[in-house]
Amino acid sequence: ELKVEQNPLFLSMQEGKNYTIYCNYSTTSDRLYWYRQDPGKSLESLFVLLSNGAVKQEGRLMASLDTKARLSTLHITAAVHDLSATYFCAVSNYVSGGGADGLTFGKGTHLIIQP
Amino acid sequence: DSGVTQTPKHLITATGQRVTLRCSPRSGDLSVYWYQQSLDQGLQFLIQYYNGEERAKGNILERFSAQQFPDLHSELNLSSLELGDSALYFCASSEFTGDWTGNTIYFGEGSWLTVV
Repeated sequence: ELKVEQNPLFLSMQEGKNYTIYCNYSTTSDRLYWYRQDPGKSLESLFVLLSNGAVKQEGRLMASLDTKARLSTLHITAAVHDLSATYFCAVSNYVSGGGADGLTFGKGTHLIIQP
Repeated sequence: DSGVTQTPKHLITATGQRVTLRCSPRSGDLSVYWYQQSLDQGLQFLIQYYNGEERAKGNILERFSAQQFPDLHSELNLSSLELGDSALYFCASSEFTGDWTGNTIYFGEGSWLTVV
């Protein structure tokens, strides 16, 4: 059974600081997603990481994937208040030829960025 | 706006009742997914349909069922509702075609279900 663990689950930080959210998963997969969710809202896709060593950046957020370590990171650079949200990583259950593509989500990291 | 449309946005119903949640995927997306989000269980994958056929099942209860119609919209049917079924139910869609190429999975706004 695929398990996805995020840490920390709660993070309070000041504007201007850097921090990293970690996502570990238990079985082989080379398809990892990061989503952002504001309270009571939908999930907004941030990144889709497809292969070992993949790195993607959008603004102050950068995500990377190490499939050998079964680890993905979401790095926040010079945080601003608008980045306050809950961030989820999710791993695809996709099996080549099987067609199934449901995602297993971590518990989410609740991020608060204070002025 | 992701392009995935869900109705109703909010629903309050009594225990033992049955409800139907509706989802219209993004134009052109063949794959539809249903997820449940609750405080105690987090985000859980329920079921996936691809072009009208069931493709994968997750943690979907036997009291729940889903289908995808020829026009690609999908419905999630929840029956014999219990208090613990209160949650936010998301529909998502993607271009997934069976030869996965890393397509983004887009989520709708969700349907808030409260069972009283």
